[in-house]
Amino acid sequence: GQQVMQIPQYQHVQEGEDFTTYCNSSTTLSNIQWYKQRPGGHPVFLIQLVKSGEVKKQKRLTFQFGEAKKNSSLHITATQTTDVGTYFCAGQTGANNLFFGTGTRLTVIP
Amino acid sequence: DAGITQSPRHKVTETGTPVTLRCHQTENHRYMYWYRQDPGHGLRLIHYSYGVKDTDKGEVSDGYSVSRSKTEDFLLTLESATSSQTSVYFCAISESGQGYYEQYFGPGTRLTVT
Repeated sequence: GQQVMQIPQYQHVQEGEDFTTYCNSSTTLSNIQWYKQRPGGHPVFLIQLVKSGEVKKQKRLTFQFGEAKKNSSLHITATQTTDVGTYFCAGQTGANNLFFGTGTRLTVIP
Repeated sequence: DAGITQSPRHKVTETGTPVTLRCHQTENHRYMYWYRQDPGHGLRLIHYSYGVKDTDKGEVSDGYSVSRSKTEDFLLTLESATSSQTSVYFCAISESGQGYYEQYFGPGTRLTVT
């Protein structure tokens, strides 16, 4: 079955340091979405990537979709305490449902 | 935030009892989903619905059933709760299931089965 692996599972960074989480699929994806879940909260949609090699930015967040559409990454520049939470990727193949990665829990140390 | 509510928000129940969780939306979205979230597993799809009375199984459907008699309501039933079903349950909605549509999540229900 479809699997989406996400690494690392946990990441602790000093405030101001950069952070990256990686997502890898066993199959080619039609699109990939990223979600953020604050502690005690619910997942919130961040962005969707559709095209091979696509790069999108949201302020300090940079999202990339691999050329083969099997991997993706989220990079945060100069982390802030407001970035704390768990970041999930979710891949989709064709008309199938989203398949969520296991998430990366980010802790930012002030 | 999208208009999604879940009830109850917290529940403690005993093994073997039936439990029903409710998801209610005010967005008139066609697709509704039930996920469970457990440490180390991320979000796993239990069941989903693509219209009134139209439902299908997800990745971890054993021990769960669903019903959707109205567009706005999607019910998840644990027929006979087990300790392995202790989890946080999230409902989500989307305009379509055909890709390119983000999902909006409800606040979650924390269920403990003792």
